[in-house]
Amino acid sequence: DAKTTQPPSMDCAEGRAANLPCNHSTISGNEYVYWYRQIHSQGPQYIIHGLKNNETNEMASLIITEDRKSSTLILPHATLRDTAVYYCIVRAARRGSTLGRLYFGRGTQLTVWP
Amino acid sequence: DTEVTQTPKHLVMGMTNKKSLKCEQHMGHRAMYWYKQKAKKPPELMFVYSYEKLSINESVPSRFSPECPNSSLLNLHLHALQPEDSALYLCASSQYEGTNTEAFFGQGTRLTVV
Repeated sequence: DAKTTQPPSMDCAEGRAANLPCNHSTISGNEYVYWYRQIHSQGPQYIIHGLKNNETNEMASLIITEDRKSSTLILPHATLRDTAVYYCIVRAARRGSTLGRLYFGRGTQLTVWP
Repeated sequence: DTEVTQTPKHLVMGMTNKKSLKCEQHMGHRAMYWYKQKAKKPPELMFVYSYEKLSINESVPSRFSPECPNSSLLNLHLHALQPEDSALYLCASSQYEGTNTEAFFGQGTRLTVV
């Protein structure tokens, strides 16, 4: 039961920033936004996650709007190896449990071209 | 060590066979997951274990039988599968506390049922 909406595909020139949008208008106050990517036939790879504030790590930046209804993953200098399916996930927490399930939506196929 | 190791990488089995998929992690994570991924589709959650106990079964047919013998190991026993069960089977693990923890995925076992 994915709670996110992403464009099915995007293109980006190598060396340019890739900005991947995600809508999560029904997100609850205690739910985090996670981003994963999956390079063809490999296991999903964790990229970044956040709750309210913008986050940055060595791979990417995550910008979350003030109302938390949408977010953008930014790859500052895309390379050919960044070609993958990018999944935006709202981490669901079951009532009475601290266990959060990861439900994947269809994601965005990002293609980086030379 | 942030690795989740899955074996075997590839498996071909007949519809009358019994086989098992294995997943191992040594990160001290107390939550472990099985996902199924068909071609060109997102991963679908199958089972979740928390503290070696089955926490979530997403209405998976009984021909798939999970087992968590200890906190580092997760198995998926397969019996009387159908050709439509052919897919990439992914294992993941995460810490148990709250939803502010990333899940690490293995590279998957590509299963073909003939």
